[in-house]
Amino acid sequence: SYELTQPLSVSAALGQTARIPCGGSDLGSRSVHWYQQRPGQAPILVIYRSKHRPSGIPERFSGSNSGNTATLTISRVQAEDEADYYCQVWATTGVFGTGTRVTVL
Amino acid sequence: QVQLVQSGAEVKKPGASVKVSCKTSGYTFTGFYLHWVRQAPGQGLEWMGWVYPNSGATFYAQRFHGRVTLTSDTSSSTVYMELSRLQYDDTAVYYCARDVGLGNYILDFWGLGTLVTVSS
Repeated sequence: SYELTQPLSVSAALGQTARIPCGGSDLGSRSVHWYQQRPGQAPILVIYRSKHRPSGIPERFSGSNSGNTATLTISRVQAEDEADYYCQVWATTGVFGTGTRVTVL
Repeated sequence: QVQLVQSGAEVKKPGASVKVSCKTSGYTFTGFYLHWVRQAPGQGLEWMGWVYPNSGATFYAQRFHGRVTLTSDTSSSTVYMELSRLQYDDTAVYYCARDVGLGNYILDFWGLGTLVTVSS
């Protein structure tokens, strides 16, 4: 079965950049989506099809995907960005990454 | 606006079944897949399956095959997730989520979740 691997945690200072990698075999050939989940809340779609932002998502959220790694980048990190982030693909079934906790220092 | 309103928390005994509802509004119910995703306490997200209300078609994750049933009621714009033969590790928050279209697996609106606790 297909697997997506993420680091357990990533930290960034307020106003700096956080980069969250998501690894998977030949991931660059797939469409990757990213979700933000704040504690006690439902997930929110923040990036779809690897690089597109839904309406209402701040421009500081961006995505890229190449080779075996997709990356969610949060520029000018804000306190409200502290959350868990999950990547997701379709690979004959729905697959979520293991999740990354972003801490804002 | 799009809304997905889920039923309340449930406590079930091992071996029992649970049925969770997700009432939708604010969009054309039959035009979009509805997915179910669960999250065990302190764990990550796990995709369970989808239902297409227009036809009743379903697709399930292999690990839930035979235990989960997804259904829809077009008269009330509601989808249901029934999970049978519950075990302790089925304790989780269960979410319904709308697909942006037909099988895109892009989940743009989510319900708030329903906590199902399996306890003797």
